[in-house]
Amino acid sequence: GENVEQHPSTLSVQEGDSAVIKCTYSDSASNYFPWYKQELGKRPQLIIDIRSNVGEKKDQRIAVTLNKTAKHFSLHITETQPEDSAVYFCAASISGGFKTIFGAGTRLFVKA
Amino acid sequence: GAVVSQHPSRVICKSGTSVKIECRSLDFQATTMFWYRQFPKKSLMLMATSNEGSKATYEQGVEKDKFLINHASLTLSTLTVTSAHPEDSSFYICSARGGGNSPLHFGNGTRLTVT
Repeated sequence: GENVEQHPSTLSVQEGDSAVIKCTYSDSASNYFPWYKQELGKRPQLIIDIRSNVGEKKDQRIAVTLNKTAKHFSLHITETQPEDSAVYFCAASISGGFKTIFGAGTRLFVKA
Repeated sequence: GAVVSQHPSRVICKSGTSVKIECRSLDFQATTMFWYRQFPKKSLMLMATSNEGSKATYEQGVEKDKFLINHASLTLSTLTVTSAHPEDSSFYICSARGGGNSPLHFGNGTRLTVT
């Protein structure tokens, strides 16, 4: 089955700096890669997603890149702010209702 | 956007009792819902896939007789933790997909404490 690895487990950056979180997946059939942000005690919220027919997607300060050949994808947050502090999960799935497998999560701390 | 409601948000029960958690899709129909378990500071572990009108599909290592899943309608799936034990204490969270290639939407989660 699918296996998603995520690094780093913890990331601490200074406000205004960029943060990069990387994930790899094992199932070459996976074609949908969402990223979720989870604040303490709350539900995961989708922040951005990318499909396998696209190499990069950007939404304001957040961007995601996908390398299908290497089977890895990354989340980039620019101009980080304290409110970006949370746990971020990458995930992989085969679209069409199949199960989504999550990475272990990255705890991001943005220091003011 | 798609909304998933999960109830209760917190529950405390005694060992040996059963607890039912409900997951509802409020503004869309979900033929498939997913149940996850999350330990403190850990990732979301998929427990089972709930299929409307048929049996749930459980992940390896998840006891189907302990975690009973019922998906009787297109908007409701329930997870019943039977004969609860302190090791079952955890954060349980459901999710549903609105269909096609739409993303997962999560419920608010249920924090279960078994004393």
